[in-house]
Amino acid sequence: GENVEQHPSTLSVQEGDSAVIKCTYSDSASNYFPWYKQELGKGPQLIIDIRSNVGEKKDQRIAVTLNKTAKHFSLHITETQPEDSAVYFCAADTSGTYKYIFGTGTRLKVLA
Amino acid sequence: GAVVSQHPSWVICKSGTSVKIECRSLDFQATTMFWYRQFPKQSLMLMATSNEGSKATYEQGVEKDKFLINHASLTLSTLTVTSAHPEDSSFYICSVRTQGRGSPQHFGDGTRLSIL
Repeated sequence: GENVEQHPSTLSVQEGDSAVIKCTYSDSASNYFPWYKQELGKGPQLIIDIRSNVGEKKDQRIAVTLNKTAKHFSLHITETQPEDSAVYFCAADTSGTYKYIFGTGTRLKVLA
Repeated sequence: GAVVSQHPSWVICKSGTSVKIECRSLDFQATTMFWYRQFPKQSLMLMATSNEGSKATYEQGVEKDKFLINHASLTLSTLTVTSAHPEDSSFYICSVRTQGRGSPQHFGDGTRLSIL
């Protein structure tokens, strides 16, 4: 079945450095890729998304890139801050349905 | 995006009781809501898709008699965990889809269920 692989599972960076999280999906018909941030004890919050007709999207310190040929997409966070510490999930929609397949999550820790 | 409210946020109950969790879409009429389960330090697992006015669609391996879903209005879906046991302890999260395929899902803040 369809799946989404996410790496790394944990990531520690110094405050001010950049963080990159990568995902690979298997369903070539996927065309929507959201990224969620989940803080402890909370539900996931959408932080950025990208559709398959776009290669890159940026929103202030956050950017997402998509390579449809390779079926890769990545989240880039620049100038990281302690409040960026959380678990980040990528997801891909599935062909013919409204369901998402989620990645396994990345625990980001920004060290002050 | 849509504002989604879940209630309760935390519940502890004895084994054998049934627990109802509510998911409300506060500012959007949702024909479709989703119910997820999340174990500690793991990803979200889709349990079922809740459709307003019709039966929910359950994912493979999810017991529909154990996890009863009702979506009686465009703003409310409920998940009832029947005859709950310790293995049902988990974090349950609902989401709302605001448009068709290719639109974001907006999540509630989850319900932590602990069965003693």
